[in-house]
Amino acid sequence: GAGVSQSPRYKVAKRGQDVALRCDPISGHVSLFWYQQALGQGPEFLTYFQNEAQLDKSGLPSDRFFAERPEGSVSTLKIQRTQQEDSAVYLCASSLDRGWGRTFTEAFFGQGTRLTVV
Amino acid sequence: EDQVTQSPEALRLQEGESSSLNCSYTVSGLRGLFWYRQDPGKGPEFLFTLYSAGEEKEKERLKATLTKKESFLHITAPKPEDSATYLCAVIYNFNKFYFGSGTKLNVKP
Repeated sequence: GAGVSQSPRYKVAKRGQDVALRCDPISGHVSLFWYQQALGQGPEFLTYFQNEAQLDKSGLPSDRFFAERPEGSVSTLKIQRTQQEDSAVYLCASSLDRGWGRTFTEAFFGQGTRLTVV
Repeated sequence: EDQVTQSPEALRLQEGESSSLNCSYTVSGLRGLFWYRQDPGKGPEFLFTLYSAGEEKEKERLKATLTKKESFLHITAPKPEDSATYLCAVIYNFNKFYFGSGTKLNVKP
């Protein structure tokens, strides 16, 4: 596709419900990032994939958060037993670069999924 | 502790009034510094990448510069359509890609 696509754009979940957020990166992009953005704040790093390998998940706030990218393309961020503090915009970004000793190119972002837990 | 700090948090300018936004960082092994623009309800939009101290990039009314400890985003003669939140991000130690909290710019006509 022409850009990073995220779905759904908006999600309202009842507290305790499980949710799954989808990210379709730009075709051919190796690196994929997930971020959480609270209102008025900068994006907070959650996790990073290089192809299908999850190389860094240090930003995931709890074991209720799980991300996968099984075929190195589409990624899903799953949140189990949602809590009110999970309400935020979840951003996905992809980059062509492989990192690891090479110049890092810019990452392109999707529009985000706004999650509201009620 | 590694940190990315942006200042000011908010900036109000009159149309045509030039100014600068600051991004200071205390990370080791910097591999790149990025500037993004974010409009309400949208994802960040890429503006510039800077890789080494002394480097400068320009695009229309925007100019980004980098030193060993900070980056500046200079806005010359801004227009109302430049109103947005400007985010700085750094990548260091391979795959650590972290954002500052942003500067919210409001340009009044």
